[in-house]
Amino acid sequence: AQTVTQSQPEMSVQEAETVTLSCTYDTSESDYYLFWYKQPPSRQMILVIRQEAYKQQNATENRFSVNFQKAAKSFSLKISDSQLGDAAMYFCAFSRSGAGSYQLTFGKGTKLSVIP
Amino acid sequence: DAGVTQSPTHLIKTRGQHVTLRCSPISGHKSVSWYQQVLGQGPQFIFQYYEKEERGRGNFPDRFSARQFPNYSSELNVNALLLGDSALYLCASSPALRGSEKLFFGSGTQLSVL
Repeated sequence: AQTVTQSQPEMSVQEAETVTLSCTYDTSESDYYLFWYKQPPSRQMILVIRQEAYKQQNATENRFSVNFQKAAKSFSLKISDSQLGDAAMYFCAFSRSGAGSYQLTFGKGTKLSVIP
Repeated sequence: DAGVTQSPTHLIKTRGQHVTLRCSPISGHKSVSWYQQVLGQGPQFIFQYYEKEERGRGNFPDRFSARQFPNYSSELNVNALLLGDSALYLCASSPALRGSEKLFFGSGTQLSVL
């Protein structure tokens, strides 16, 4: 079974500054996917960024980037130039690779506040 | 195009009752998954359906059941409700059935069991 751990229940960042959210996971799989999802007060989960485990290059999406350390089973999210709209719950998630069936295993989340 | 729609948005039930939650996926999406999100926790996988067949089931009791219709919409049913079933129930859809898939989530149904 896979587990995902987010050790920071809450974080805050000044507008325009950079913040890093931490995530560690445990799995015996060699091929898998890791995700960061954002959940604003509207409750709708929105994909922020996705990383394929077999790719060594860290994924980047505009102001969002990850630091993927496969050996350490670490997957942190860096948000640059933080904006007020970034305030939300952020969930790290794991999915096994392959077709046929899959499920996301989520961490408990980190609540990010952005200070004007 | 419309996103994933869920109904109702809020629901209040009493212990022992039955509830049905509904989900309409994005047009063209054949996979629907259900997740339960208890307050202060991350979502937990309940079911996945693809082409009207159950393709995955999480660690939930038999009181939880689901089905997918020919138009790919889905229902989640919960019998004999317990206080602990109070949660946000999220539906997600995707075009296919791969671990790499981006899931598109609805805004959920907030279920309160009194």
